[in-house]
Amino acid sequence: NAGVTQTPKFQVLKTGQSMTLQCAQDMNHEYMSWYRQDPGMGLRLIHYSVGAGITDQGEVPNGYNVSRSTTEDFPLRLLSAAPSQTSVYFCASSYSRGDIALANYGYTFGSGTRLTVV
Amino acid sequence: AQTVTQSQPEMSVQEAETVTLSCTYDTSESDYYLFWYKQPPSRQMILVIRQEAYKQQNATENRFSVNFQKAAKSFSLKISDSQLGDAAMYFCAYTVIQGAQKLVFGQGTRLTINP
Repeated sequence: NAGVTQTPKFQVLKTGQSMTLQCAQDMNHEYMSWYRQDPGMGLRLIHYSVGAGITDQGEVPNGYNVSRSTTEDFPLRLLSAAPSQTSVYFCASSYSRGDIALANYGYTFGSGTRLTVV
Repeated sequence: AQTVTQSQPEMSVQEAETVTLSCTYDTSESDYYLFWYKQPPSRQMILVIRQEAYKQQNATENRFSVNFQKAAKSFSLKISDSQLGDAAMYFCAYTVIQGAQKLVFGQGTRLTINP
């Protein structure tokens, strides 16, 4: 089925470890983004990309790194995990035309990754 | 900066009755979209309804409708004939049309349906 695929679904890390959360979409969406969801705070934007080779920071980028080498993939890297990064992470994608959102098509979300840092 | 506020952390309603979830937002933009997303226990984010700011007519999707008050920057969601499957977290979200299309979310409202 077409959509956004996130792996893994669950992960436990020790403080200081690094890891990569994977996100892939097969809808040829130009726009991809990463959010973290914490209780009482909704979803907050970490990083986003409007196309291959283009990334930018969102609201809470510290401790995370991204790259966009292909249209399909947008991995999120935790450089040195901290307990404050315990959260649920969502990848989302949508069509865009340059910098103009085609919001009528909506945003497609992955099923999320629950990350615990101990 | 754009912000979205949901002032009701939790709401409950009897099955078959109507409930309204509140959302206010702050923006200096004139062209934008507003969304309501539903997140059931499965964690999946499901689009419930969307509203274009330039449209005066309130959006409707079956039992779900919105009351969009642009001047007041208010975007409430009304769920009619509530069903047990409507129980979920509901998030209000905003995005501009021009520029980077970042979704800004509210804090969420947990809706419980009482049988």
